[in-house]
Amino acid sequence: DTEVTQTPKHLVMGMTNKKSLKCEQHMGHRAMYWYKQKAKKPPELMFVYSYEKLSINESVPSRFSPECPNSSLLNLHLHALQPEDSALYLCASSLILVATNEKLFFGSGTQLSVL
Amino acid sequence: SQQGEEDPQALSIQEGENATMNCSYKTSINNLQWYRQNSGRGLVHLILIRSNEREKHSGRLRVTLDTSKKSSSLLITASRAADTASYFCATRGTSYGKLTFGQGTILTVHP
Repeated sequence: DTEVTQTPKHLVMGMTNKKSLKCEQHMGHRAMYWYKQKAKKPPELMFVYSYEKLSINESVPSRFSPECPNSSLLNLHLHALQPEDSALYLCASSLILVATNEKLFFGSGTQLSVL
Repeated sequence: SQQGEEDPQALSIQEGENATMNCSYKTSINNLQWYRQNSGRGLVHLILIRSNEREKHSGRLRVTLDTSKKSSSLLITASRAADTASYFCATRGTSYGKLTFGQGTILTVHP
């Protein structure tokens, strides 16, 4: 199984809602990532977990709250988002965080619209 | 600082032609990777070249790396309509594990 599965594929939420994005992989990868991508722009790193511990937080606003319950699952909890947070949210994984030849495996993303 | 600036921003070619995309970066790297993204989908890893390598091939893909000029190129030979996608270079620095993506090139291959 070489897939990273993200749910839901599409999400529309109001600014007062609380929602969660989910990501799952069964490749035995111990590093998992959240990226945010606006239209026609490159992915921007948000968070990195290594061995279920938060290793990198790229100064992301607290309305985004990541969680890694176990080595296969990664969640992103959303609360009080702003319309400018509308974007494609991508989850990725790699075998380990830092290595000379690590490549990332990406999910198909969640297209989020904040009204 | 921004790593991985790419040109051209957009490239339109006919099926069967070759497509070349370029990537420049600013700081020392451990490796450089190329990814493809179909519209609204996740990224797919294409090829990785290490800082001590100069050229690498994978099927119809050829990647070169010039560390003295801090630049890389991706050549897709005999392009197909299915190659239509955005292509991103990504660099991994030597002292920090973060993978940073360039601005990307939008490739359109006309049948």
